Amino acid sequence: DAGVIQSPRHEVTEMGQEVTLRCKPISGHDYLFWYRQTMMRGLELLIYFNNNVPIDDSGMPEDRFSAKMPNASFSTLKIQPSEPRDSAVYFCASSAGRNNEQFFGPGTRLTVL
Amino acid sequence: AQRVTQPEKLLSVFKGAPVELKCNYSYSGSPELFWYVQYSRQRLQLLLRHISRESIKGFTADLNKGETSFHLKKPFAQEEDSAMYYCALSRSSGSARQLTFGSGTQLTVLP
Repeated sequence: DAGVIQSPRHEVTEMGQEVTLRCKPISGHDYLFWYRQTMMRGLELLIYFNNNVPIDDSGMPEDRFSAKMPNASFSTLKIQPSEPRDSAVYFCASSAGRNNEQFFGPGTRLTVL
Repeated sequence: AQRVTQPEKLLSVFKGAPVELKCNYSYSGSPELFWYVQYSRQRLQLLLRHISRESIKGFTADLNKGETSFHLKKPFAQEEDSAMYYCALSRSSGSARQLTFGSGTQLTVLP
């Protein structure tokens, strides 16, 4: 298994543009998490899904952010419109069952100019 | 609300020296604590968890509820230990393991 897969690995865009980050969890994992990492705030949980259903999105910074999980093998995190302060590394992680280890993807480094 | 504090952003030690990465937490419930590590150009991965009470790669961490700490220790650091280390806290209840991370400590082991 290749582990959690994220694309793109790097994204550079201009303020106001729409950005879509993608994640493929490990096959068989029923939990999926989206995190954001910044120098100022460290690693923050944005949202997580269980069996494709969003359970807690209290970490999503504002309405410009949205996340979907249309099926068990794919999730997206969308920012529209993007702003320079959204520049960060976005990680996706998945786990099997409620109390098991979270496996992280390699992250997407987003730069908004 | 839970909070995890790692007071040192950067830590350098010489090879063979003891190393301790500090982690303090605040949480009103019964916490579960973890250490995650990210080696250069690799993914964030679980190093150890307090409930396992195990030693991984020579590292140990003891949960001290009185001091609300979960410091990571290794008696003899190796160059390959150089990495970013994150302490994380999980709520003891809820539908999933929601992790709150500290800001991380970059450990450099000098030759």
